[in-house]
Amino acid sequence: SQKIEQNSEALNIQEGKTATLTCNYTNYSPAYLQWYRQDPGRGPVFLLLIRENEKEKRKERLKVTFDTTLKQSLFHITASQPADSATYLCALDEGNTPLVFGKGTRLSVIA
Amino acid sequence: GAVVSQHPSRVICKSGTSVKIECRSLDFQATTMFWYRQFPKKSLMLMATSNEGSKATYEQGVEKDKFLINHASLTLSTLTVTSAHPEDSSFYICSARRQGEDTGELFFGEGSRLTVL
Repeated sequence: SQKIEQNSEALNIQEGKTATLTCNYTNYSPAYLQWYRQDPGRGPVFLLLIRENEKEKRKERLKVTFDTTLKQSLFHITASQPADSATYLCALDEGNTPLVFGKGTRLSVIA
Repeated sequence: GAVVSQHPSRVICKSGTSVKIECRSLDFQATTMFWYRQFPKKSLMLMATSNEGSKATYEQGVEKDKFLINHASLTLSTLTVTSAHPEDSSFYICSARRQGEDTGELFFGEGSRLTVL
């Protein structure tokens, strides 16, 4: 069966450290993988998209990797800040089909 | 960036009534919009894909007569929860892609919290 798994429901880290979130998938062949941020009671906001032929993508303090052999994406936030506290969702895009979302990881950055 | 507006943000209704939620793309045209439902601490569950000028495509297990979707223009899709019951209480979120784009980022509305008493 098809599955998307984000490594943990919740992750607590100290301010200034690098947060690493994991997204693993089974029985999908995504052409793209996307990461979104969702704050409580709000809709998700797009952060980054990485294509299947890209290994790594960066945007300011964010970095995403995509390993189609391992069927895994890693999402890094460097120099984390309390304002980074939110739920982060990964989403698979197989092209011409609706996005499929993981359950998300709730990140808490502690000052 | 593209903006999707969703209204109302919160609605409380009595059991048996119908509720309409609007989703508008404010500065772009969207041939396709998506409606999601989200329970607390759970993933976004796709309910249906709304296509401008044609019938919506519903996901398995979603009752099309219960959740009526109308996509009358390139900037507006509506979701009507008919004869709402307490189990329909949830967070409903719409999203859209720019017209002509089959892939790429989704622009989400702010969501609508429905509480059925």
